[in-house]
Amino acid sequence: GDSVTQMEGPVTLSEEAFLTINCTYTATGYPSLFWYVQYPGEGLQLLLKATKADDKGSNKGFEATYRKETTSFHLEKGSVQVSDSAVYFCALGRPAETSGSRLTFGEGTQLTVNP
Amino acid sequence: SQTIHQWPATLVQPVGSPLSLECTVEGTSNPNLYWYRQAAGRGLQLLFYSVGIGQISSEVPQNLSASRPQDRQFILSSKKLLLSDSGFYLCAWTRTSGRGSYEQYFGPGTRLTVT
Repeated sequence: GDSVTQMEGPVTLSEEAFLTINCTYTATGYPSLFWYVQYPGEGLQLLLKATKADDKGSNKGFEATYRKETTSFHLEKGSVQVSDSAVYFCALGRPAETSGSRLTFGEGTQLTVNP
Repeated sequence: SQTIHQWPATLVQPVGSPLSLECTVEGTSNPNLYWYRQAAGRGLQLLFYSVGIGQISSEVPQNLSASRPQDRQFILSSKKLLLSDSGFYLCAWTRTSGRGSYEQYFGPGTRLTVT
């Protein structure tokens, strides 16, 4: 079955540092890949997505490229801010005949950015 | 645009009491709806999904049940809460038709503490 593995946290960075959160997946076929962000006490927000190999998703300075050859979807940002402190989830999605869509989530990575 | 609401935002209930959490979606019709639980601030567990009014599928056997009395309303219930039911409950929706990348959109969540 599908699975998603994220780098373990927590990750602590100083403001303006470069961010990488690793994500690898195991799946057959061509699933879509997502990064969600969860700020303290809130629900998950879709941060970016990629639907096919070599696609690059980007939003708010974050980027991730769908690498089928390495089954990876690493999240990067060139210069983090204190406001980026949150939990980041990598997820894999595919259609599901009985439920519309099926998401498989990684365990999440806590990011703390210090001023 | 579409929005998803959950209430209440927080709830403290004694063991053995009943539970009712509500989720509604605006701005779309015939969505697929999902209930997740997030324990310990991290991983998400899919509890129930629904592809239409009165159609509920359960992912894991547990003390909870779900209902969909209206197209855009999804309710999570319990007759008698257990301590292990504590957690952060998230509702999500996705489109039912058309080509897409299968992302799900999440509500703000309900924090349930069973005492």
